[in-house]
Amino acid sequence: DIVMTQSPSSLAVSAGETVTINCKSSQSLLSSGNQKNYLAWYQQKPGQSPKLLIYLASTRESGVPDRFIGSGSGTDFTLTISSVQAEDLADYYCQQHYSYPFTFGSGTKLEIK
Amino acid sequence: EVQLVESGGGLVQPGRSLKLSCAASGFTFSNYYMAWVRQAPKKGLEWVATISTSGSRTYYPDSVKGRFTISRDNAKSSLYLQMNSLKSEDTATYYCARRRSSSPFDYWGQGVMVTVSS
Repeated sequence: DIVMTQSPSSLAVSAGETVTINCKSSQSLLSSGNQKNYLAWYQQKPGQSPKLLIYLASTRESGVPDRFIGSGSGTDFTLTISSVQAEDLADYYCQQHYSYPFTFGSGTKLEIK
Repeated sequence: EVQLVESGGGLVQPGRSLKLSCAASGFTFSNYYMAWVRQAPKKGLEWVATISTSGSRTYYPDSVKGRFTISRDNAKSSLYLQMNSLKSEDTATYYCARRRSSSPFDYWGQGVMVTVSS
């Protein structure tokens, strides 16, 4: 199974700051066939279902603000949230969809000071 | 508008069975792989099962393989999860989710709670 290691587990920032969340996979998520990385990011606000933010490592889902940026390749990935807003208070998860069993990172709790 | 509505959760004793349902609307259900993902209280997300468009292929993690069965009825736009031999560690909110070809899960239901306890 591919193990997803996410860091930090929590962080607190002030509105307007930039946040970086890291995700490392135990195996490469890069497909040799199409050169795409099968890594997704989700946002889960308190009391809500998860919401897809980013897929294929860097493709923003329709309707997601452009302050959410996914990057990385192979085994190392990053979610950057620029100019954090109060509404970004949530848990963030990475997930590999390269191979079964699909696995998630342990999550990052983002708090707004 | 895509909607996924789960039902069938509740309190069940260890070793017993429970069947969850998910009613889909707002899209052509038969064109999409579907899945179940769960989240134990105050914990992270865990993928539970995926089913192909026709239902001919199913996928499970080792934690539920042999105990859980995912199925679908395309005529009714419905997804199911039959859970047998339930354990306390199966206690979680279970989400129904749609899988798009290039992404994992693009739409999620509101979730249904399953509590396994004597």
